[in-house]
Amino acid sequence: AQSVAQPEDQVNVAEGNPLTVKCTYSVSGNPYLFWYVQYPNRGLQFLLKYITGDNLVKGSYGFEAEFNKSQTSFHLKKPSALVSDSALYFCAVRDNAGNNRKLIWGLGTSLAVNP
Amino acid sequence: DTAVSQTPKYLVTQMGNDKSIKCEQNLGHDTMYWYKQDSKKFLKIMFSYNNKELIINETVPNRFSPKSPDKAHLNLHINSLELGDSAVYFCASSPRGVQGAGANVLTFGAGSRLTVL
Repeated sequence: AQSVAQPEDQVNVAEGNPLTVKCTYSVSGNPYLFWYVQYPNRGLQFLLKYITGDNLVKGSYGFEAEFNKSQTSFHLKKPSALVSDSALYFCAVRDNAGNNRKLIWGLGTSLAVNP
Repeated sequence: DTAVSQTPKYLVTQMGNDKSIKCEQNLGHDTMYWYKQDSKKFLKIMFSYNNKELIINETVPNRFSPKSPDKAHLNLHINSLELGDSAVYFCASSPRGVQGAGANVLTFGAGSRLTVL
């Protein structure tokens, strides 16, 4: 079965420190991977995606993610966290089974950046 | 100029009532979606339309009926509201059809918070 897991419900990091939000996936065929962010009382916003090519993908707001095929992971990273990065982060993978190619979503990881 | 706008933003109603949420996108996207986010922030797709054609219809009670009068609009009508319908409902849109990678780059609306008393 195709799935995506975000093993941490919450990640806490001090401002200025590097941050990592973890995501692992299970999918048939080539993985199409995505990160979205949800700020409080807002809709989700697209951050970045991996389709093919370089394993390190750069996205919005200084975020990047590293695709690791052997570990089936797509962790989100940022070298220096800001308080304003505090939000809910969702990893998603495209469902390659069936015709509609919908996204399969993780349960989300709440990131708290402390000043 | 809001890209994906949904109304109303807040909706408080009694059990058994019928209500609608409207969504409009001005991005020229082909595909539109309705998602439900529950109190634990779990995100669940409900429906998707591509150029007014229903392409995703998840296991949703038939009290929920989407309608897409044109590709820029996707409305959600809910009959006989139940307590468990309380959630935030998000409309989203994406470019092109279901095959391209861009199809999964979604633009979300700000959400409609439905509270059923």
